[in-house]
Amino acid sequence: DSGVTQTPKHLITATGQRVTLRCSPRSGDLSVYWYQQSLDQGLQFLIQYYNGEERAKGNILERFSAQQFPDLHSELNLSSLELGDSALYFCASSGLDRGSDTQYFGPGTRLTVL
Amino acid sequence: DAKTTQPTSMDCAEGRAANLPCNHSTISGNEYVYWYRQIHSQGPQYIIHGLKNNETNEMASLIITEDRKSSTLILPHATLRDTAVYYCIVRVRPGGTSYGKLTFGQGTILTVHP
Repeated sequence: DSGVTQTPKHLITATGQRVTLRCSPRSGDLSVYWYQQSLDQGLQFLIQYYNGEERAKGNILERFSAQQFPDLHSELNLSSLELGDSALYFCASSGLDRGSDTQYFGPGTRLTVL
Repeated sequence: DAKTTQPTSMDCAEGRAANLPCNHSTISGNEYVYWYRQIHSQGPQYIIHGLKNNETNEMASLIITEDRKSSTLILPHATLRDTAVYYCIVRVRPGGTSYGKLTFGQGTILTVHP
């Protein structure tokens, strides 16, 4: 158990819909990362937040957005969903403020878009 | 971040040492070598990381060549539960231009046989 939690575990929805994925980092970790893993693209970095502020952006689509709240949990919002958005979405956290940038991953959310 | 090259797949007998190689010939002086593994769609799991000295923890050992152009992850006594995809990642520590993200390649599929 990494200490990172993600909800829900599974999500099935239709094209055009909007969903929200939630991540709670390890206790005390200020940095949260989101990754997408699809069959054809592998594990890809989407976005990073540090203490509520966006720190780095990867290949995140404009239809996707994220935020980190004062209690440090993070949400990834996916809108106008397409079939190709079906993937595993992982959240990771690290304690950059404590000198450790090792990322610990949650169990993931499996999104299926029908 | 430097590019890494890993074999696509490897086999190992249970109880034997598993030696997973990684080539990172373009590694820079400030880049670290990280190893993660992913067991069947679970969240990636941190294993170990190092800069230039060999490292050992409760999970594995990391041997980095003197020129730092390659490394080997060693699982001393592989078990069936070690069957996973192993990722070798090279990246700078926070503060560099590649701040935060992990860039995953295709990794090595390690299969441990009874």
